[in-house]
Amino acid sequence: EPEVTQTPSHQVTQMGQEVILRCVPISNHLYFYWYRQILGQKVEFLVSFYNNEISEKSEIFDDQFSVERPDGSNFTLKIRSTKLEDSAMYFCASSELRGQGKTEAFFGQGTRLTVV
Amino acid sequence: ILNVEQSPQSLHVQEGDSTNFTCSFPSSNFYALHWYRWETAKSPEALFVMTLNGDEKKKGRISATLNTKEGYSYLYIKGSQPEDSATYLCAFRSSGYALNFGKGTSLLVTP
Repeated sequence: EPEVTQTPSHQVTQMGQEVILRCVPISNHLYFYWYRQILGQKVEFLVSFYNNEISEKSEIFDDQFSVERPDGSNFTLKIRSTKLEDSAMYFCASSELRGQGKTEAFFGQGTRLTVV
Repeated sequence: ILNVEQSPQSLHVQEGDSTNFTCSFPSSNFYALHWYRWETAKSPEALFVMTLNGDEKKKGRISATLNTKEGYSYLYIKGSQPEDSATYLCAFRSSGYALNFGKGTSLLVTP
């Protein structure tokens, strides 16, 4: 069964360092997303990406964050200068274009980012 | 901020018990309600997407109902098994593509 894969599964980084989280979405999907969950809190939407551009982003997704689809398979989230509060589980997701309301998003296993 | 609430926060049942949990969401500007099942160290698994008031969906022993007018959805598990132990997340979608998640209900089923 096709799945969304994320690497690495765990990442520890020093405050102020740049980090890139990688995702391979399901191959025939057209929409890509990043979510995060800070420990003990809700899963929060960060950004959606379609046709090589951001289609929607949340208030969390500030100038420190960027996304890219560098080739036909990978989708990356970059945090330029990490802060302690960026420590969270980051989830990548993808979906087919099946109509906005019924679109089902498939999630990866997540990358646990720890900023020290 | 779209407030999605789930209750109870956690639940512990015996194998064979039937159980249900609630998701409440804003009743205005409704597009879809999603249920996910999330086991530790695995990907959240999509269970249902519901879009119409009165929708009922079923997958094996798990079913869900939707009331968009009053802003709630129920998830039912009939005859719980230990492998049903997981966190069940609901997510509300209004316009756009963002899913707004609840905190989840953590279910533990013991033999």
